Amino acid sequence: GQQVMQIPQYQHVQEGEDFTTYCNSSTTLSNIQWYKQRPGGHPVFLIQLVKSGEVKKQKRLTFQFGEAKKNSSLHITATQTTDVGTYFCAGPSGGSYIPTFGRGTSLIVHP
Amino acid sequence: NAGVTQTPKFQVLKTGQSMTLQCAQDMNHNSMYWYRQDPGMGLRLIYYSASEGTTDKGEVPNGYNVSRLNKREFSLRLESAAPSQTSVYFCASSERQGSDYGYTFGSGTRLTVV
Repeated sequence: GQQVMQIPQYQHVQEGEDFTTYCNSSTTLSNIQWYKQRPGGHPVFLIQLVKSGEVKKQKRLTFQFGEAKKNSSLHITATQTTDVGTYFCAGPSGGSYIPTFGRGTSLIVHP
Repeated sequence: NAGVTQTPKFQVLKTGQSMTLQCAQDMNHNSMYWYRQDPGMGLRLIYYSASEGTTDKGEVPNGYNVSRLNKREFSLRLESAAPSQTSVYFCASSERQGSDYGYTFGSGTRLTVV
């Protein structure tokens, strides 16, 4: 079945440093979604990318979808303590509209 | 507040006991889902309901049953709980299949089976 791999599993940064998490799929994705889960909370939808090579920005967050639609990245510029949490990517497996979630990247920001 | 409501928030069960996790959404969404989240494992789909009256198995359905009671409500039942079912359970809903608006998740049920 389709695998959605996310790296790294954990990332420690000093406040103000940049952060990037990567998502890779074994198959072509029709779209990719990104979610954020604060510690002890529930996943919250951030964005969906659909087009090959698409780039979207939300303030300090930049999301990219690869040209082959098999990979994606989330980049945070100048991290803040409010960015702490686990970031998940999710993409539909072949023939299904249901997204498969990656295992997430936990971001720890040190003040 | 509009969204997905799950009950209970916490539950401790003994092995072999049964229980039903309740989920309701007030966004008039067609599709609803049940996920479990275990440390380091991400979110794994248990069952989903694409629309009222339909249910389908996800990645990890064994030991669970579901009921789509109406458009608003989607319940998850554990008939005979096992320690391996200790997890955090999330219900989610989406406007339609492959919605551009992503999934809206409930706040979760933290279940411990002893």
